[in-house]
Amino acid sequence: EVQLVESGGGLVQPGRSLRLSCAASGFTFGDYAMHWVRQSPGKGLEWVSGISWNSDTIGYADSVKGRFTISRDNAKNSLFLQMNSLTAEDMALYYCARGDYYMDVWGQGTTVTVSS
Amino acid sequence: DIQMTQSPSTLSAYVGDRVTITCRASQSISWWLAWYQQKPGKAPKILIYKASNLESGVPARFSGSGSGTEFTLTISSLQPDDFATYYCQQYNTYPRTFGQGTKVEIK
Repeated sequence: EVQLVESGGGLVQPGRSLRLSCAASGFTFGDYAMHWVRQSPGKGLEWVSGISWNSDTIGYADSVKGRFTISRDNAKNSLFLQMNSLTAEDMALYYCARGDYYMDVWGQGTTVTVSS
Repeated sequence: DIQMTQSPSTLSAYVGDRVTITCRASQSISWWLAWYQQKPGKAPKILIYKASNLESGVPARFSGSGSGTEFTLTISSLQPDDFATYYCQQYNTYPRTFGQGTKVEIK
């Protein structure tokens, strides 16, 4: 079964850091680009970052550029998102998703809460 | 960045109605557009890719059309399972961008 499982979310104080992980299974992880997409409570979907299969191409939303870093470990079938200088605006459910173009497989998400 | 604008934001319809949602891009994205369905508490699900291609397993009552800057998602006969929020998303360039969503409600 093709599956993505996010982890690493939690409660963090403003200005602190958090690292999200996404474990992939059921497909050849290294063949696909991957993305992080977030959704604040009651709001729409916001694409956060994407990375090509070989990490050569990386993109970020303007809202996180310079604070968030996406990376992957194809040997461990894992995707990561390092989030620094977190603010209340970063509080959301974070999904990882598979897709060279559109996103055809999604995880169930991990929740990030930013509060003092 | 490419801005994606959906209309309407909310749509009330009866079971059996034909429903159309529009998505406009701030610049041409060719056919590089996807449509997703999201139900409360669930992850989004891909419905349509490359503007008009139906994802495997998606009912044929869903269809997509358009190119360039204007796109539509049509549900030919709305079913109870279709009440959800729908998003368009461009994948022509980075950063990828989503529309703000269209919530389809029961009338």
